Amino acid sequence: DGGITQSPKYLFRKEGQNVTLSCEQNLNHDAMYWYRQDPGQGLRLIYYSQIVNDFQKGDIAEGYSVSREKKESFPLTVTSAQKNPTAFYLCASSMWPPEATDTQYFGPGTRLTVL
Amino acid sequence: AQSVAQPEDQVNVAEGNPLTVKCTYSVSGNPYLFWYVQYPNRGLQFLLKYITGDNLVKGSYGFEAEFNKSQTSFHLKKPSALVSDSALYFCAVRGPNTGFQKLVFGTGTRLLVSP
Repeated sequence: DGGITQSPKYLFRKEGQNVTLSCEQNLNHDAMYWYRQDPGQGLRLIYYSQIVNDFQKGDIAEGYSVSREKKESFPLTVTSAQKNPTAFYLCASSMWPPEATDTQYFGPGTRLTVL
Repeated sequence: AQSVAQPEDQVNVAEGNPLTVKCTYSVSGNPYLFWYVQYPNRGLQFLLKYITGDNLVKGSYGFEAEFNKSQTSFHLKKPSALVSDSALYFCAVRGPNTGFQKLVFGTGTRLLVSP
């Protein structure tokens, strides 16, 4: 987990609310990623960003939004349009441009629960 | 498109015995393969990766993995299991092409090491 921090560790949201998950890294990595983890489904890519002020949709971007104003930071907003947001969210970072061999390093995660 | 299969949801082994966590993959061209470990409510920790060269890759905490091209497998192994190895293990694969290549994860295998 070293070098990547996520906050908060636990987050509770009421239906209809937007919430923002924080991700910060001090690894000097250009690329950052957001994944969603559900039991028995592995990790699914939500968004990724290669450089500041640029980001791309992953496999399950609907109901989520991101920004990348600083190299170190890649916050994820879970909007009210996300129908089933309860999950464990993981942020990761890696070198860019991405050699296929590059390792992604993960933060400790945020567990979001919708009440 | 690349894919990863982890055929066992759970592996049980007694402490001191050897362990194997299975992974098979599908990718066009030469694969780049990764193993990660996840402890409860934590992020993923990188264990090891196969890029090229020796088919036996050594990683953190005494783990190793054997790449078998003919069987398209990348099984994780450890000669003597510890109770503290109990965790969720993920295999992941990326294709060899240049540019952004998504890291595709398996669904995970829970390892339970009994005293």
